[in-house]
Amino acid sequence: AQSVTQPDIHITVSEGASLELRCNYSYGATPYLFWYVQSPGQGLQLLLKYFSGDTLVQGIKGFEAEFKRSQSSFNLRKPSVHWSDAAEYFCASGGGADGLTFGKGTHLIIQP
Amino acid sequence: EPEVTQTPSHQVTQMGQEVILRCVPISNHLYFYWYRQILGQKVEFLVSFYNNEISEKSEIFDDQFSVERPDGSNFTLKIRSTKLEDSAMYFCASQGGTGESSPLHFGNGTRLTVT
Repeated sequence: AQSVTQPDIHITVSEGASLELRCNYSYGATPYLFWYVQSPGQGLQLLLKYFSGDTLVQGIKGFEAEFKRSQSSFNLRKPSVHWSDAAEYFCASGGGADGLTFGKGTHLIIQP
Repeated sequence: EPEVTQTPSHQVTQMGQEVILRCVPISNHLYFYWYRQILGQKVEFLVSFYNNEISEKSEIFDDQFSVERPDGSNFTLKIRSTKLEDSAMYFCASQGGTGESSPLHFGNGTRLTVT
């Protein structure tokens, strides 16, 4: 069975600083990987996705993620965070009829 | 940009009552899903629906749950006899293409509170 691990429950970053959110997956073959963001009271918005090809994928809002098969990781990065980036971030794998497997999420706090 | 809409945004019900959560997926999408997020926990897959029938369901989706696409636009989740532990945020999602290649579009969710 697939599993997704986000080791950091909370991350605090100063505005303007760089960000990296960690995600590790467990899956035999190359997984389909996603990052979603959830602002308070909102649904899940897709930031980016990886299916195949270039291991560095660009997403919306200035985010990018890098797929590293050797580390079973798909970490999310942003070079300079803005206060509006404060939200819950979910890594997910899979898709198709049996749905996505989500990590527990990382709560991002932005310090002024 | 088209979006998935869910109503109501918040539903309070008493234990044992039936609830119906409503979703209007994106109009040309073919695959529909319900997910659940208990407060402080991860988002969990409940069920997928395609061609007017359930494709897959998780262990959470027991006999108390049912889904329906009654009129070609709405996609509903019914909980027949709610329990306290059904309190959660329920997200509807729809998907346009086949398989994993098309991303899921999520609604803003319905917060269900069972008292």
